[in-house]
Amino acid sequence: EPEVTQTPSHQVTQMGQEVILRCVPISNHLYFYWYRQILGQKVEFLVSFYNNEISEKSEIFDDQFSVERPDGSNFTLKIRSTKLEDSAMYFCASKGMGRGEGYEQYFGPGTRLTVT
Amino acid sequence: GQQVMQIPQYQHVQEGEDFTTYCNSSTTLSNIQWYKQRPGGHPVFLIQLVKSGEVKKQKRLTFQFGEAKKNSSLHITATQTTDVGTYFCAGPRGAQKLVFGQGTRLTINP
Repeated sequence: EPEVTQTPSHQVTQMGQEVILRCVPISNHLYFYWYRQILGQKVEFLVSFYNNEISEKSEIFDDQFSVERPDGSNFTLKIRSTKLEDSAMYFCASKGMGRGEGYEQYFGPGTRLTVT
Repeated sequence: GQQVMQIPQYQHVQEGEDFTTYCNSSTTLSNIQWYKQRPGGHPVFLIQLVKSGEVKKQKRLTFQFGEAKKNSSLHITATQTTDVGTYFCAGPRGAQKLVFGQGTRLTINP
C-alpha cells in the first residue's frame, strides 16, 4: 500500500540553525500539507500546497517557514532560524483528489525536531 | 476562528468496557473526519462523515454526525487493548485546512 515517507525521523539542531524536513508524498496525490504536534498536544495545521504554490497557511507559518516541491516527488519544509519553541513532531500529509477519492489525508510517520 | 473541542481529554477503561468521545465545533462543518494516533505514531484516517445525522459503523466503532453538523461522536463497543491511542476529530476550515480537536487519549486496563 502506498505511504507517505519522511526523513529524517529525528533531527537535533541548535537554536538559530536552519533545518530542512523532507517528505515524499503518495505519488498520485495532488495536495500536500505540513502539520506539527507539540508533545502531548493536538495536531496543528501549518500549510497546504497545491499546484506548486501555497494554498493556505496558519498563523504559525510565519516568515521563518517555507515549503518547496523541488522535483516531482519531494516536498520540503524549511525553518530558517530555529527557536526552542519549534521543537515538535512535524507531520507531512498528502491527499488525492481523483474520482471517488474522499477528503482523507494520509500522514507520514513524522520527523521529531529537537531544538537545543 | 473555528474551534473544535473534544471531551473527555483522557479516558481509562477496563478491557471490554465501552468508550465514547465527543466532538463539538463552533461552526457548521461540511464534513468531519476521525483519526487515530497510536502512542508514538502518526494520525491514521478512520472515517469521514458528510451528511447530517449520518451514522457509520466499522466493526466495534460507531461514528455519528449531528443533525446540525456541529457535533460528532465515536463510540467503541467492548474495547480491546488494540484500541489504545488518541482519537482526534477534525473539521475542515476553508478549502484545505483541517482543524483538529485536542483528542481523547484512551488507555485500557487488560
